Amino acid sequence: NAGVTQTPKFRVLKTGQSMTLLCAQDMNHEYMYWYRQDPGMGLRLIHYSVGEGTTAKGEVPDGYNVSRLKKQNFLLGLESAAPSQTSVYFCASSYSTGEQFFGPGTRLTVL
Amino acid sequence: TQLLEQSPQFLSIQEGENLTVYCNSSSVFSSLQWYRQEPGEGPVLLVTVVTGGEVKKLKRLTFQFGDARKDSSLHITAAQPGDTGLYLCAGDTPYSGAGSYQLTFGKGTKLSVIP
Repeated sequence: NAGVTQTPKFRVLKTGQSMTLLCAQDMNHEYMYWYRQDPGMGLRLIHYSVGEGTTAKGEVPDGYNVSRLKKQNFLLGLESAAPSQTSVYFCASSYSTGEQFFGPGTRLTVL
Repeated sequence: TQLLEQSPQFLSIQEGENLTVYCNSSSVFSSLQWYRQEPGEGPVLLVTVVTGGEVKKLKRLTFQFGDARKDSSLHITAAQPGDTGLYLCAGDTPYSGAGSYQLTFGKGTKLSVIP
């Protein structure tokens, strides 16, 4: 099993460009999450999903959109990237019991 | 907002030394998790503590959940270079929003163990 995978691993964008980050999990988890990690700020929840076709806002949702069309995939979109969105993005998945399994992260730089 | 304060923020010690890191909150959590994150990777779960006063051991790591379920500590005995990493505590937020188990993360303790 691959666990949680994320693509791409690195990306550089110019201000105003758009992109989509893909997260895939093969553990049949119902719950999926997108976090961003910034120095001194810890992990902050952007959006999450409790099942296929459902999404909800987390702590820092502004500037991001998500979709969960298939149970195994959770997409994070940036419609118009800003330098403040420079960060490392982590996807995670879980059953309903709280333990989360994380992907390896995507390092995004917005110039 | 439920906040988790971790201390110290940074810790650099020699191989063989003992250390303790702390995770404190004014909120009560029904469970608390500890993760370790190595550079360039995602966090990996070490342990979950559920009962107030609970102590769990994982080889040289000892985790304790406070009696009031507001705080936790991680003690490492005879630290080794392989223990180097970012240690994160996370408390659950039971059934918030649409019913998901959301985690509130502390900012982490960055541990360096020098050979």
